[in-house]
Amino acid sequence: SQTIHQWPATLVQPVGSPLSLECTVEGTSNPNLYWYRQAAGRGLQLLFYSVGIGQISSEVPQNLSASRPQDRQFILSSKKLLLSDSGFYLCAWSATSDQETQYFGPGTRLLVL
Amino acid sequence: GENVEQHPSTLSVQEGDSAVIKCTYSDSASNYFPWYKQELGKGPQLIIDIRSNVGEKKDQRIAVTLNKTAKHFSLHITETQPEDSAVYFCAAGNYGQNFVFGPGTRLSVLP
Repeated sequence: SQTIHQWPATLVQPVGSPLSLECTVEGTSNPNLYWYRQAAGRGLQLLFYSVGIGQISSEVPQNLSASRPQDRQFILSSKKLLLSDSGFYLCAWSATSDQETQYFGPGTRLLVL
Repeated sequence: GENVEQHPSTLSVQEGDSAVIKCTYSDSASNYFPWYKQELGKGPQLIIDIRSNVGEKKDQRIAVTLNKTAKHFSLHITETQPEDSAVYFCAAGNYGQNFVFGPGTRLSVLP
């Protein structure tokens, strides 16, 4: 069966520091991968999605970036964090044969101070 | 682009009663409508979904109905239990395109 992992689970970072969040998927090949952000008590905002290695599409302009160095690895990064980057970051995957159904990871809670 | 609205934002029901959450969407091309349940501190979990060629789908105590003409779909939970307490999200999308999620409904089931 497929599983999706995210780490770290929680992170507290000072303003201006760099960020690297990692997501990996097991049990499937060539998945579509997604990064979402969820502000406290709010809905899900799609940040990036990827249909293959090195292929990244950005949904919203921001100081975050994403990379997909391997088929089942998706990384969310920032060179300098802002206070407004605080939130719950969720990675999701979907099978290329079924681009609709997305399955979410456990999330990373980021607090920027 | 697609826009999804969801109501109510909060819902409290007595244990054993039914709960209904409604969503509307704007893009008539959307043909896939999933519902997710998110417990505190966890990622959303898919609980049921429906495609536009189906008007209703049921899975034990959970059902979803879709009205494509009116562009709205609803989640129905019967015989609610305390473990149903969570935030529920609807979403709308089309094959090959990304979802748009509703803002969520916080459901509280009171014992």
